[in-house]
Amino acid sequence: DIQLTQSPSSLSASVGDRVTVTCRASQNVRSYLNWYQQKQGRAPKLLIYAASNLQSGVPSRFSGSGSGTDFTLTISSLQPEDFATYYCQQTYSNLIFGGGTKVEVK
Amino acid sequence: QLQLQESGPRLVKPSETLSLTCTVSGASMSIYSTYYWAWIRQPPGKGLEWIGSIYTSGSPYYNPSLKSRVAISIDTSNNQFSLNLFSVSAADTAVYYCASQQHSGSYSVPNLDYWGQGTLVTVSS
Repeated sequence: DIQLTQSPSSLSASVGDRVTVTCRASQNVRSYLNWYQQKQGRAPKLLIYAASNLQSGVPSRFSGSGSGTDFTLTISSLQPEDFATYYCQQTYSNLIFGGGTKVEVK
Repeated sequence: QLQLQESGPRLVKPSETLSLTCTVSGASMSIYSTYYWAWIRQPPGKGLEWIGSIYTSGSPYYNPSLKSRVAISIDTSNNQFSLNLFSVSAADTAVYYCASQQHSGSYSVPNLDYWGQGTLVTVSS
């Protein structure tokens, strides 16, 4: 099975900060990597699909990059509504989620 | 825009079967012929786990770790798909989500674009 490791598992940041979350796959998943945002008590929301494509309606401060085994989600300027948990997901072989990264208020 | 809503018992006894239905609204499932329809769960305070997906035409595939206990079916005439999880234990207590699974981009990368609000199912005697 392909495993995904996210880092860090949590981070503290302030509004306006540039935030980076990384996701490493145990095997090559090409560009079969998605990112989701989940707020407390809510369903996850698709942000980025196929590593770098912004889902419709998602603010442009979110971006994704990478291919193969190493991927990055970047929030260029953190907004109050961005404090949440972020999950990567590989869909190259079945659908597997990373462990999540919680972005908290500093 | 699709809306999805989970329904079913919120309390299930150990060793019994957990059964949930997801009702899709906003469009006929048969129009989304290239879509899959998925179930995902999240134990309290933990991460997301994909359970399985089913193609609109009816071909399912499952998480290998759950495959022996899971069955997903679809009823496009009623715009619904269902989950059965057999022989449950306390470890199956979780929020269960249904979602639509599209394939996007030049490589048709699967991703989950619309989600239900989720329903907490507790396994307890």
